[in-house]
Amino acid sequence: EPEVTQTPSHQVTQMGQEVILRCVPISNHLYFYWYRQILGQKVEFLVSFYNNEISEKSEIFDDQFSVERPDGSNFTLKIRSTKLEDSAMYFCASTREANEQFFGPGTRLTVL
Amino acid sequence: RKEVEQDPGPFNVPEGATVAFNCTYSNSASQSFFWYRQDCRKEPKLLMSVYSSGNEDGRFTAQLNRASQYISLLIRDSKLSDSATYLCVVNYGQNFVFGPGTRLSVLP
Repeated sequence: EPEVTQTPSHQVTQMGQEVILRCVPISNHLYFYWYRQILGQKVEFLVSFYNNEISEKSEIFDDQFSVERPDGSNFTLKIRSTKLEDSAMYFCASTREANEQFFGPGTRLTVL
Repeated sequence: RKEVEQDPGPFNVPEGATVAFNCTYSNSASQSFFWYRQDCRKEPKLLMSVYSSGNEDGRFTAQLNRASQYISLLIRDSKLSDSATYLCVVNYGQNFVFGPGTRLSVLP
């Protein structure tokens, strides 16, 4: 069964450093998403991406964040200058028709 | 404002019990509705979509009441493996809003 994959599973970084989180969505899916979940809190929408552009973003997704689909398979989330409060689990998801989403296993980001 | 509310629980029930969760949403423009389950420190996994006519998948039944803006999930004959957090998700265009989840513990 096809699945969404994410790398790395755990990323530790120093405050102020840039990080890139990587996702490979399911191959025939057209819509891609990033979410974050701070430990013990709810899943929060960050951004959706369709047809090579951002279709919607939340107020969390400020200028420090960017997304890219550099080739036909990868979908990345970049945080330019990490803050302590960026520590969270980051989930990538994809869907074929903007409905039932399939999530990757997540990347745990720890900012020191 | 787009909000999704759930009773956080925990719901502690014995094996074999029937348990029901409710979820309310604030924005009547919402389009699609889903239930996901999330195990501790894992990704959300789709349990079922929720249709206006209601739908059933084995021991799980989902209902949608658009007039009152709530969604329900009923689990019959609960199993130990049903222990998880159940997330209500509401879709507005390309934005999917998650509720905080209801924690279920099924006890032997």
